[in-house]
Amino acid sequence: EAQVTQNPRYLITVTGKKLTVTCSQNMNHEYMSWYRQDPGLGLRQIYYSMNVEVTDKGDVPEGYKVSRKEKRNFPLILESPSPNQTSLYFCASSSTGAGTYEQYFGPGTRLTVT
Amino acid sequence: GENVEQHPSTLSVQEGDSAVIKCTYSDSASNYFPWYKQELGKRPQLIIDIRSNVGEKKDQRIAVTLNKTAKHFSLHITETQPEDSAVYFCAATDRGDGNKLVFGAGTILRVKS
Repeated sequence: EAQVTQNPRYLITVTGKKLTVTCSQNMNHEYMSWYRQDPGLGLRQIYYSMNVEVTDKGDVPEGYKVSRKEKRNFPLILESPSPNQTSLYFCASSSTGAGTYEQYFGPGTRLTVT
Repeated sequence: GENVEQHPSTLSVQEGDSAVIKCTYSDSASNYFPWYKQELGKRPQLIIDIRSNVGEKKDQRIAVTLNKTAKHFSLHITETQPEDSAVYFCAATDRGDGNKLVFGAGTILRVKS
């Protein structure tokens, strides 16, 4: 089954404790992206990747890191989480760019930073 | 960069009525305009999209119209059903860049039966 998976689905952590949210897709998509969803703000892009070893900033990259060492995986790293990073996070993938074809979203990761 | 505004933020309609959600964008270079539907507790899913060389696109009960001159596009849902209740997001490309998509804040649609 073609899908995008994220882990963990739920995470409660404390300020400053490094964490990684994994994202994997099995559709051989070149493009992958991370979004955060906050009430009243819609989906805001954090980082995206056009292909292996190619990443770029979205609209809200501060406090986040990403890497794309393999085509199927695109982990999101929070080196020192803060309460303002409490949010619902979605990973997405597309055969080409986000502005070209349909993006397939993962199930979401709800992160709470206390 | 691109700015996308979406209205209304909430919309309640009676089952069988039509619903219209409107979005405006700021970047005249934007060339791709998708609409995503997000049911409660679920992930966003594409329901329809339109490109800048097309003025209207229809898929069964759903249609999207684009006015490039005015820089706005709209989602039209006819004969609404309870299962249409969800949050709907519009989006537009940033600077015609296929890499970045800017989303509106979303519209909560409630269809009352």
